[in-house]
Amino acid sequence: DVKVTQSSRYLVKRTGEKVFLECVQDMDHENMFWYRQDPGLGLRLIYFSYDVKMKEKGDIPEGYSVSREKKERFSLILESASTNQTSMYLCASRRGTLTSNYGYTFGSGTRLTVV
Amino acid sequence: GENVEQHPSTLSVQEGDSAVIKCTYSDSASNYFPWYKQELGKRPQLIIDIRSNVGEKKDQRIAVTLNKTAKHFSLHITETQPEDSAVYFCAASRTSYDKVIFGPGTSLSVIP
Repeated sequence: DVKVTQSSRYLVKRTGEKVFLECVQDMDHENMFWYRQDPGLGLRLIYFSYDVKMKEKGDIPEGYSVSREKKERFSLILESASTNQTSMYLCASRRGTLTSNYGYTFGSGTRLTVV
Repeated sequence: GENVEQHPSTLSVQEGDSAVIKCTYSDSASNYFPWYKQELGKRPQLIIDIRSNVGEKKDQRIAVTLNKTAKHFSLHITETQPEDSAVYFCAASRTSYDKVIFGPGTSLSVIP
């Protein structure tokens, strides 16, 4: 069973802090994604990566950056946390080659509160 | 940019009735349309998907229909059960491998 693990379930950070959200998958998936989930807005794509050291901006990249130094790990970085980045952050992965299952596997999410 | 709209935002049905959730998308190059179900406190999970070369797909009590000309697609759940209560997200992407754009979600409540 594919597992996507996010390092923290809950985080509380102060405004201006640099925040690292970690995501690790164990099924050798090429594609990894970071979304944030807010009520009434659904899941909005922040950044994604199709392979090691590759990264692409999603729909709301401002205030965020990412790192993918190893295939299994995709990190989301909030350079200077602000209160409007309080949200649920979901990591997802998916195989990037021919497969019978094109669905995302999501992590359990990190609920970040910035005070 | 690409956009996916979804209606209704909330839906209540009696157990045993049918539920229909409708979505529209803006990117005419979209060819892959997955649906995800998110139960309270849990992660979203893929329940069914459809590609643009298919007009309809069924899996037990769940069916999806696609009208590529109108850029509409819908989720139909028949004989609803309390365990169908969840938030449902429609989504679209250009290919099965591409980034997925999600709709805002529909909160479905099935009343016993």
